[in-house]
Amino acid sequence: SQQGEEDPQALSIQEGENATMNCSYKTSINNLQWYRQNSGRGLVHLILIRSNEREKHSGRLRVTLDTSKKSSSLLITASRAADTASYFCATAPFSGNTPLVFGKGTRLSVIA
Amino acid sequence: IAGITQAPTSQILAAGRRMTLRCTQDMRHNAMYWYRQDLGLGLRLIHYSNTAGTTGKGEVPDGYSVSRANTDDFPLTLASAVPSQTSVYFCASSPGGASYNEQFFGPGTRLTVL
Repeated sequence: SQQGEEDPQALSIQEGENATMNCSYKTSINNLQWYRQNSGRGLVHLILIRSNEREKHSGRLRVTLDTSKKSSSLLITASRAADTASYFCATAPFSGNTPLVFGKGTRLSVIA
Repeated sequence: IAGITQAPTSQILAAGRRMTLRCTQDMRHNAMYWYRQDLGLGLRLIHYSNTAGTTGKGEVPDGYSVSRANTDDFPLTLASAVPSQTSVYFCASSPGGASYNEQFFGPGTRLTVL
């Protein structure tokens, strides 16, 4: 069963606005990862945040992790039409040999 | 460097036929994975391999089998395809342990079972 659940399922914003996507999960994790998928393509890794980290930045991306609430958020600032894609969170259990569990994704549309 | 390649890109298959989806990576990654992606259900793990010679079952393994004879290749076989196996299949790999590292994905195989 999927552990990560993204919210909202779909999001539509204007170019230049910020986009925030949330991920909630159920059990303790080693790390949480965010991926992006353009239509018809494979997923691409964006950022990994470990359970002892609270915030991480990469370019226009900002990820937060609240292990007490078992939730994470992905913020894309100053969005561009090229950011249009589906975004997935994936949780990594503590056991190193147990694979990631992906959520169902948030579909982001950025309108020029 | 190609990364991960999958073949075929797409396939239409009659129910009951046997089909092998191919996946090859040239990054010398230890772990490899097969996922299926269906609308509204996200990405679901079928089988995985933490290292050559070992395999494990994911969330939806029934009707599928895998082998990992070497580091580079991880084929997925449908012994007798059924229409519910119509999906987009993604292969992925990661350098080390199954969940500590980022995964690298192939371009996918779109499979239709009639």
